[in-house]
Amino acid sequence: EPEVTQTPSHQVTQMGQEVILRCVPISNHLYFYWYRQILGQKVEFLVSFYNNEISEKSEIFDDQFSVERPDGSNFTLKIRSTKLEDSAMYFCASSTRGQAVTDTQYFGPGTRLTVL
Amino acid sequence: AQKITQTQPGMFVQEKEAVTLDCTYDTSDPSYGLFWYKQPSSGEMIFLIYQGSYDQQNATEGRYSLNFQKARKSANLVISASQLGDSAMYFCAMREPYGGSQGNLIFGKGTKLSVKP
Repeated sequence: EPEVTQTPSHQVTQMGQEVILRCVPISNHLYFYWYRQILGQKVEFLVSFYNNEISEKSEIFDDQFSVERPDGSNFTLKIRSTKLEDSAMYFCASSTRGQAVTDTQYFGPGTRLTVL
Repeated sequence: AQKITQTQPGMFVQEKEAVTLDCTYDTSDPSYGLFWYKQPSSGEMIFLIYQGSYDQQNATEGRYSLNFQKARKSANLVISASQLGDSAMYFCAMREPYGGSQGNLIFGKGTKLSVKP
């Protein structure tokens, strides 16, 4: 069964460093998302992406964050200058029909980012 | 105001028994979708079941069913014949239209289910 994959599974970085989190969405999906979950808290939406541009972003997704689809398969989230509060699990998700309310988003296994 | 409310931070159930995890939601939009995800201790988010606001029947998927009461704005997850592997966090989530793109999921705080042997 096709699935969303994410690398790395765990990333440790120093405050102020840039990190790139990578995702390979399910191959026939067209809509891509990033969410984050701070330890012990609920999952929060960051950004959605369709047709090589951002569809929607939350207030969390400030100028420190960017997303890109550099080739036909990868979808990346970059954090330019990490802060301690960026420590969280980052989930990538993808779906086929983002315009439909009941379109199901399938999540990857997550990347646990630890900022020291 | 909370869009998704899960009032049970933790639940215990005996193996092989059924359990209901509560979820209430808040929206004024007539078109929305409701989803349940499972998050085992390993951390991944696993899609379980969804219900559309216009669906006439309650959704079912194997041992999972959704008790959808639209007037009460509740979408409770029922797990029948609980198994030890069902021990996990369970999140209720909703999608509602946002401008022209019906985008992000809004999650509740989750319920931690523990299945006792």
